[in-house]
Amino acid sequence: AQKVTQAQTEISVVEKEDVTLDCVYETRDTTYYLFWYKQPPSGELVFLIRRNSFDEQNEISGRYSWNFQKSTSSFNFTITASQVVDSAVYFCALRRVSGGYNKLIFGAGTRLAVHP
Amino acid sequence: GAVVSQHPSRVICKSGTSVKIECRSLDFQATTMFWYRQFPKQSLMLMATSNEGSKATYEQGVEKDKFLINHASLTLSTLTVTSAHPEDSSFYICSASTYEAFFGQGTRLTVV
Repeated sequence: AQKVTQAQTEISVVEKEDVTLDCVYETRDTTYYLFWYKQPPSGELVFLIRRNSFDEQNEISGRYSWNFQKSTSSFNFTITASQVVDSAVYFCALRRVSGGYNKLIFGAGTRLAVHP
Repeated sequence: GAVVSQHPSRVICKSGTSVKIECRSLDFQATTMFWYRQFPKQSLMLMATSNEGSKATYEQGVEKDKFLINHASLTLSTLTVTSAHPEDSSFYICSASTYEAFFGQGTRLTVV
């Protein structure tokens, strides 16, 4: 079975604080993709990153960074020096590579509130 | 980058009527599109997989007669909520995939 767990339901921080959003996944597949999406109040999903299961290199994009640890089945997301515009719901998702489908399995989401 | 356009963004309808939501891939061909439903403060739940030229594949517990999906071309999939009831009120969002899954803007359906 495939599952994505985001244990943090809501996080509240003050602007300029660093914040880490946790994501733990379960899959029996050896090849898979992991994603992070941002959902602002408008509702649309904004793609942030895709990570192949064979690529465990951490990635940094501006204030965003991702830590993929296959040994612990985790794909955590850190926002450095958070800003009010970072306030949104963040979803971690898992996608199979095999099977002919590209459907995503989403975690429950973490609601991040960044206060001025 | 690839864009998926979803219309309408908001719709209010009377109970018992049907509502059609369109999902278009604007600059790529999508043989497969996906329809998700999201209740307030909850995650996205996959409803069905829309396959161009064939029947949609519905997830367990999703009523295929209630949520009709048509994928008549490589760029358009439609979701029709038939005989809508207040409990069908939700946020519906479609996606189409290349390497990434691109999402439409979502449709907020309110049934009164």
